[in-house]
Amino acid sequence: GDSVTQTEGPVTLSEGTSLTVNCSYETKQYPTLFWYVQYPGEGPQLLFKVPKANEKGSNRGFEATYNKEATSFHLQKASVQESDSAVYYCALNYNVLYFGSGTKLTVEP
Amino acid sequence: NAGVIQTPRHKVTGKGQEATLWCEPISGHSAVFWYRQTIVQGLEFLTYFRNQAPIDDSGMPKERFSAQMPNQSHSTLKIQSTQPQDSAVYLCASSKEGGEDTQYFGPGTRLLVL
Repeated sequence: GDSVTQTEGPVTLSEGTSLTVNCSYETKQYPTLFWYVQYPGEGPQLLFKVPKANEKGSNRGFEATYNKEATSFHLQKASVQESDSAVYYCALNYNVLYFGSGTKLTVEP
Repeated sequence: NAGVIQTPRHKVTGKGQEATLWCEPISGHSAVFWYRQTIVQGLEFLTYFRNQAPIDDSGMPKERFSAQMPNQSHSTLKIQSTQPQDSAVYLCASSKEGGEDTQYFGPGTRLLVL
């Protein structure tokens, strides 16, 4: 079946440093890809949808590129802020969402 | 614009009791999804409606769980004879037309079965 593998957390960074959260998948098809963010007590919020075929999606300084050959779409941010502390999920959409395990990010001042 | 509304936000039940969770999708969205979130299993798909018709319930436990969508403005997830292992956050999401459309999530209902 389809599976999504995501960087195991937790990840702790200092403000101003860079972030990479790895996400890769195994599937026979080319799904639609998303990054979601979840804050305590809330449901997952869409961070952005990753356009297909080697294109880049981005929002709020976060970005990811869909690497079709490597079946990956890693999340990156050049300079994290304390307000970025949250849990990040990558997800495949085949009519329903298949989520990675989540990566808890803590950014220290 | 109101997002997806879920009620109650928290529910505590005793083992063996019934729990009904409610979801109101975003107005104009025709697809409604239910997911379950636990520490151990993460986020798991349960079931999916489009235009009120059940499309995919492959993630629903075979016993005790059922979902309905009696009209376009609400869906319910019912758990009969609740067990401690049913404790989780139950999340409802909606999208415009299903398929590859972006899904928008509600805040979830945290169910605790004692």
